[in-house]
Amino acid sequence: AQSVTQLGSHVSVSEGALVLLRCNYSSSVPPYLFWYVQYPNQGLQLLLKYTSAATLVKGINGFEAEFKKSETSFHLTKPSAHMSDAAEYFCAASGAGSYQLTFGKGTKLSVIP
Amino acid sequence: NAGVMQNPRHLVRRRGQEARLRCSPMKGHSHVYWYRQLPEEGLKFMVYLQKENIIDESGMPKERFSAEFPKEGPSILRIQQVVRGDSAAYFCASSPNPGQGSNQPQHFGDGTRLSIL
Repeated sequence: AQSVTQLGSHVSVSEGALVLLRCNYSSSVPPYLFWYVQYPNQGLQLLLKYTSAATLVKGINGFEAEFKKSETSFHLTKPSAHMSDAAEYFCAASGAGSYQLTFGKGTKLSVIP
Repeated sequence: NAGVMQNPRHLVRRRGQEARLRCSPMKGHSHVYWYRQLPEEGLKFMVYLQKENIIDESGMPKERFSAEFPKEGPSILRIQQVVRGDSAAYFCASSPNPGQGSNQPQHFGDGTRLSIL
């Protein structure tokens, strides 16, 4: 079964600092991978998706993620954190032949002024 | 608003009552998914439906939970005889025809927060 692991349930960065949120997946076949952001009391908004076209994926709000098959990772980065980036971030995967999204447990990002 | 619409946003029920959660997919989407989010947890898949068909309900509890997506109207997630453990946020998502193991992203509603007294 597919599983997604997000290292660090809470991450704090200073405003303007690099954001790095980690995600590892377990699958012998590279899945489709997604990053979603959730603001308090709201639903999930898609940040970006990996679909095997390119290993470096650019998303909205300045975020990007790099797919590394050798490390089974899909870490999310942003060069400079903004206060508005404070939210919870979820990594998710779906496998070939499956419609289900398997989510990690999420990482809460705090941005310190 | 052409997004996924869920209502109510908040629902309070007493133990033993029924809860009905509604979801209208995005315009042009005919595939609906329900997920449950428990505190400090990610979202867990419950069920995937197309119009008038349940495609995959492998994540649904075997008892008390049911889902439908009728030809007309929203998708309904129904929980009978609710218990405290049903307290959670329930999210609906929709997509166009996902195909096989689709890379089509699912678009999420704002969820229904269910509280059981």
